[in-house]
Amino acid sequence: QQQVKQSPQSLIVQKGGISIINCAYENTAFDYFPWYQQFPGKGPALLIAIRPDVSEKKEGRFTISFNKSAKQFSLHIMDSQPGDSATYFCAASKRETSGSRLTFGEGTQLTVNP
Amino acid sequence: KAGVTQTPRYLIKTRGQQVTLSCSPISGHRSVSWYQQTPGQGLQFLFEYFSETQRNKGNFPGRFSGRQFSNSRSEMNVSTLELGDSALYLCASTPMGGRGYTFGSGTRLTVV
Repeated sequence: QQQVKQSPQSLIVQKGGISIINCAYENTAFDYFPWYQQFPGKGPALLIAIRPDVSEKKEGRFTISFNKSAKQFSLHIMDSQPGDSATYFCAASKRETSGSRLTFGEGTQLTVNP
Repeated sequence: KAGVTQTPRYLIKTRGQQVTLSCSPISGHRSVSWYQQTPGQGLQFLFEYFSETQRNKGNFPGRFSGRQFSNSRSEMNVSTLELGDSALYLCASTPMGGRGYTFGSGTRLTVV
């Protein structure tokens, strides 16, 4: 019940296109859903996050869509650029008795061709 | 504002040895978490420390341990290294009550 499933494993889009990455979770206790971007040799960097009382959140070219009933959420990257080429991770967390932890999806390797 | 600093960046150890990795969180952040990243298992939670106390632990053997000092700096230790411990070890910090984790660049551990 702690898993977060992410797809696709890899994605190739053309410059200017829309990149869409999907995640599904099982544990309904999750209440915080962030997306991270990771470049080679670097740690993951927080891109955008959403809570389940909101169906959509947009920050610049990045949008999270959240479907609570389906237990799914997705990241949309509009006007994708070669500089967006990186690995993207969805994650989920819940409040525990003390502290919290992130449960990550498997990651999506995004390549944006010029 | 300095980010999360992890040292060393790279480490090569021999099977059976032990290793200590260090993490300095963002100033003011009191919670420090550790994650292991491997191609096969992805990103997995190791443990979380807050105010020098471990308050959350992942599903790793007892060979993996950690501690946090009064200045919030943290160390993790792996004893009796195995080849499968080769991974990128990431430290993340967050302010009290927050879940916007900021990750360091990690320590790449290679066990030979």
